[in-house]
Amino acid sequence: AQRVTQPEKLLSVFKGAPVELKCNYSYSGSPELFWYVQYSRQRLQLLLRHISRESIKGFTADLNKGETSFHLKKPFAQEEDSAMYYCALNSLQGAQKLVFGQGTRLTINP
Amino acid sequence: ETGVTQTPRHLVMGMTNKKSLKCEQHLGHNAMYWYKQSAKKPLELMFVYSLEERVENNSVPSRFSPECPNSSHLFLHLHTLQPEDSALYLCASSKGDRGNTEAFFGQGTRLTVV
Repeated sequence: AQRVTQPEKLLSVFKGAPVELKCNYSYSGSPELFWYVQYSRQRLQLLLRHISRESIKGFTADLNKGETSFHLKKPFAQEEDSAMYYCALNSLQGAQKLVFGQGTRLTINP
Repeated sequence: ETGVTQTPRHLVMGMTNKKSLKCEQHLGHNAMYWYKQSAKKPLELMFVYSLEERVENNSVPSRFSPECPNSSHLFLHLHTLQPEDSALYLCASSKGDRGNTEAFFGQGTRLTVV
C-alpha cells in the first residue's frame, strides 16, 4: 500500500531562515513524488516533482530512496511562502493513484 | 482558472436528501479523481477514473456513487449521507501518462450535512 507521512502539522520560521518540510513515504514499487501547495484562498497546485529535479520558487526536494524521504527545502524563507504544503506519491506502475500526506501548514514570521 | 471547475461551490443537505456534485475539465485529460478533505484527516483519495473506467474505489461507503459519463465530466452522487461526511470534496484531473501525472484541482465543493 502507498502511504505518505508528514510528521509536522504546523511549522513556523522567521523570514530569511532556512525551511525544511519533512516527508517520508512507504511504497514497495517505483514511486513518483510530488510537493503540492495551497496558498490562502487558492486551489491546490503542483509545486515540484522529483522527476524534473527543478527548483521552484527557491524550493528543492531530493528523493532519498534509502531513507524513503522527499523533504522540501528552501535556504531563505519568504513571507509569501506561508501556505499549506502536501507531499504526494504516485505509482510509476499500474493505475494512477495519487496519495497525499496530511499536510504541513508553514507560517513565515516577519 | 486552471480548467477544472466544480459545482456547486457550497452545498447544505439533509441526511435524507439526494444531491450530486459535478466536476468538469477541458484540459484533454484522461484521468479524473475525487478526494475528500476534512479538518482532521489528510486528503483522502476516494475514486479514480482512467479513460472513463473506474480504476480505484478506496473503500468508500456506497452512499457515495461516482459517475464518469465521458472524459470531461465526473459526478459524485450523494444519498443518505451522515454528518461526518461534511467536508470539502475536491475533484482533480491529469493526463494519466507515465511521467506526466501532474494533477490539476478544482476549487472544491464545501458540503455540510445537517
